[in-house]
Amino acid sequence: DVKVTQSSRYLVKRTGEKVFLECVQDMDHENMFWYRQDPGLGLRLIYFSYDVKMKEKGDIPEGYSVSREKKERFSLILESASTNQTSMYLCASSHSGARGNQPQHFGDGTRLSIL
Amino acid sequence: GESVGLHLPTLSVQEGDNSIINCAYSNSASDYFIWYKQESGKGPQFIIDIRSNMDKRQGQRVTVLLNKTVKHLSLQIAATQPGDSAVYFCAERGRNTGFQKLVFGTGTRLLVSP
Repeated sequence: DVKVTQSSRYLVKRTGEKVFLECVQDMDHENMFWYRQDPGLGLRLIYFSYDVKMKEKGDIPEGYSVSREKKERFSLILESASTNQTSMYLCASSHSGARGNQPQHFGDGTRLSIL
Repeated sequence: GESVGLHLPTLSVQEGDNSIINCAYSNSASDYFIWYKQESGKGPQFIIDIRSNMDKRQGQRVTVLLNKTVKHLSLQIAATQPGDSAVYFCAERGRNTGFQKLVFGTGTRLLVSP
């Protein structure tokens, strides 16, 4: 089975802190994604990566950055955390489109609270 | 437990009934669709997918139907069990996306009573 592991289930940080969320997948997937999930808004794509050291902005990249130094690991960085970044953050991964249509597989999320 | 949506549409069924969850999509260029299940406190779990060149696909106890004419997708769960209680949402990929980028619906909550 695909395993996508997010380093923390719950995280509490203070306004202005730099926050790192880590995600690791064990299926040699080329693509990795970061989403946030808020009530009534569904999943919104923050950033994605289709290869090591490659990144693309999603729909709501402001206030975030990412890092993909190794194929299995994709990090989300909140440069200066703000209260409106309190949310559930979900990491996902999938094989590349070269293999045809591929579903994304998700981790169990990190619930981040910014005080 | 955690809630992924405070005002989600809710479908309540009895154990053993068949459930039908619906999803309308807007992009006529979408060519790939996925259903996910999200239990409280967990991430979305892949259930079943379907390509736009098909109109029906079956899995274990689940069937997905695709009606491209009216841009409608449905998930049928046979003999619903209490363990099926969760939020279900669909996702679509536009044919012109050029990448495995998905657009997600906001979901339907399924409540199964014993």
